[in-house]
Amino acid sequence: GQNIDQPTEMTATEGAIVQINCTYQTSGFNGLFWYQQHAGEAPTFLSYNVLDGLEEKGRFSSFLSRSKGYSYLLLKELQMKDSASYLCAVRASPGNYQLIWGAGTKLIIKP
Amino acid sequence: DAGVTQSPTHLIKTRGQQVTLRCSPKSGHDTVSWYQQALGQGPQFIFQYYEEEERQRGNFPDRFSGHQFPNYSSELNVNALLLGDSALYLCASSLRGPSNQPQHFGDGTRLSIL
Repeated sequence: GQNIDQPTEMTATEGAIVQINCTYQTSGFNGLFWYQQHAGEAPTFLSYNVLDGLEEKGRFSSFLSRSKGYSYLLLKELQMKDSASYLCAVRASPGNYQLIWGAGTKLIIKP
Repeated sequence: DAGVTQSPTHLIKTRGQQVTLRCSPKSGHDTVSWYQQALGQGPQFIFQYYEEEERQRGNFPDRFSGHQFPNYSSELNVNALLLGDSALYLCASSLRGPSNQPQHFGDGTRLSIL
């Protein structure tokens, strides 16, 4: 079967760093996406990984290890506006545009 | 540059009724996917439309059907509504091409079944 696991909820302090993990077990792999979703709003695209390693984009970085079926999203210099759910999604195969989604990690930022 | 737009924003129906949700993709996009998102869960893939045809379908019953028009806009139809159909319905558009193309989401339609 297809399965994506993320922690349900995390809490961090403004200005700090937080790492949100995602593990996946899918029939194949052709890329992993991270999205941010504020309560009551649409998911917005953050990052894409298809090769092993770290992709850095401003305060956000995403890492992938295909052999371990593992990814993480690293958020630096946390701001209150970063309070949101972070969703991990996997594309299982080329030409298959369906994304398999995790349930999301609710991140709470405290002053 | 208009993003993905969905209508209506909210909808209340009763069991057994039928509903139609609408989506206009982001300018330049030709592929539309529909998702159902229950509270506290990730989106569940319903189906994807490209060139006015259903290209892929998730594990949803035939009560869920859709359509794509020549201008790439799309509709999601749900018949014989059940209480369990209460959810946020998201439309996402993308440009068919390399698999790293991200999907862009609309704000969704919140459907409540009484």
